[in-house]
Amino acid sequence: ETGVTQSPTHLIKTRGQQVTLRCSSQSGHNTVSWYQQALGQGPQFIFQYYREEENGRGNFPPRFSGLQFPNYSSELNVNALELDDSALYLCASSRQGQSNEQFFGPGTRLTVL
Amino acid sequence: QQQVKQSPQSLIVQKGGISIINCAYENTAFDYFPWYQQFPGKGPALLIAIRPDVSEKKEGRFTISFNKSAKQFSLHIMDSQPGDSATYFCAASMGGSEKLVFGKGTKLTVNP
Repeated sequence: ETGVTQSPTHLIKTRGQQVTLRCSSQSGHNTVSWYQQALGQGPQFIFQYYREEENGRGNFPPRFSGLQFPNYSSELNVNALELDDSALYLCASSRQGQSNEQFFGPGTRLTVL
Repeated sequence: QQQVKQSPQSLIVQKGGISIINCAYENTAFDYFPWYQQFPGKGPALLIAIRPDVSEKKEGRFTISFNKSAKQFSLHIMDSQPGDSATYFCAASMGGSEKLVFGKGTKLTVNP
């Protein structure tokens, strides 16, 4: 069984740029959730995707957007990057309606200069 | 408003000792309470989880104790080992695969 994978591992951008992060869900999982983890903090829920549609959103501005593809993989896009967007971005996959269990990928470390 | 409060922020335990981490929640609609373990540079790994219909769940050296009336739950790590040194997060969610609300984490150090 393949776990959750994310790419890239690390990324450095400058303020105002745009970034796309990618996630492949665990085999058999149809739901992907994205979290932002600032240094020394717990993960904060950004949004969740199920059946290629947004299925719940946390307290993040519209410049955070996402996509889910038919194979359940997902992208997180962030426009107009700000310094405070520097964080570890985590993707978690789960099986909608079966369990609350969410399994996390290793994350993408984004640094905004 | 922090919906899940976790304590202590850091914890140092000797090898073989018991590590205890506590969490309190506010939203009575929460019905799923997992604990995650995170090593530096890695994503959180699901350790153990509990639902409100039971007061305790044990898996190996890890035990969750749940007090519904007090809206509190805790993680006990028995016979703590240096390899257990990591940051532990409690979390809560409601409904199906809903969003997880995390505590701020506890950095556990187990000295040899």
